Amino acid sequence: EAQVTQNPRYLITVTGKKLTVTCSQNMNHEYMSWYRQDPGLGLRQIYYSMNVEVTDKGDVPEGYKVSRKEKRNFPLILESPSPNQTSLYFCASSPLTGRNTEAFFGQGTRLTVV
Amino acid sequence: AQSVTQLDSQVPVFEEAPVELRCNYSSSVSVYLFWYVQYPNQGLQLLLKYLSGSTLVKGINGFEAEFNKSQTSFHLRKPSVHISDTAEYFCAVSRGNTGFQKLVFGTGTRLLVSP
Repeated sequence: EAQVTQNPRYLITVTGKKLTVTCSQNMNHEYMSWYRQDPGLGLRQIYYSMNVEVTDKGDVPEGYKVSRKEKRNFPLILESPSPNQTSLYFCASSPLTGRNTEAFFGQGTRLTVV
Repeated sequence: AQSVTQLDSQVPVFEEAPVELRCNYSSSVSVYLFWYVQYPNQGLQLLLKYLSGSTLVKGINGFEAEFNKSQTSFHLRKPSVHISDTAEYFCAVSRGNTGFQKLVFGTGTRLLVSP
């Protein structure tokens, strides 16, 4: 089954404690990205990657890092989380070519930073 | 840059009534348009998309949307809603020449269907 898997689904952490949210896709997609969803703001792109070792900032990258060492994985790293990073996070993947396909989203990770 | 406006944050409706969720976008280039649905505690699922061709697009679960270039709108409609349609709906746009990779989302519309 084609899917994007995020872990963990729920996470409560304290300010300043480094954390990583993992994302893995089994569709051999080149493009992967991270979004955060906040009430009244919709989804905003944090970082994206067009292929292995190719990453770039989205619209709200401050406080986040990513890496793309393998095609299937795209972890989101918060080196020093702060309460304003409390949010619902989604990973998505899609192919780079082919107009009749779509972006696939993970189930989401609800992060609370206290 | 592209932007998307969903003016209605919440739309209450009775079961079996018709519904329209409004979406307007702005862009200086050609765009692709999408509607996604998010059920409680779940990820986003694609309802339908407009890439080119016929301006009336049919999607899953009986939803359809019409692309209106002159009014820069892409409103979502369903002639008769069910309780199970209660969810949050997001309109999104991407640049036409990059397809669906970089999506710009609206703020979402919560559809509340009551008996």
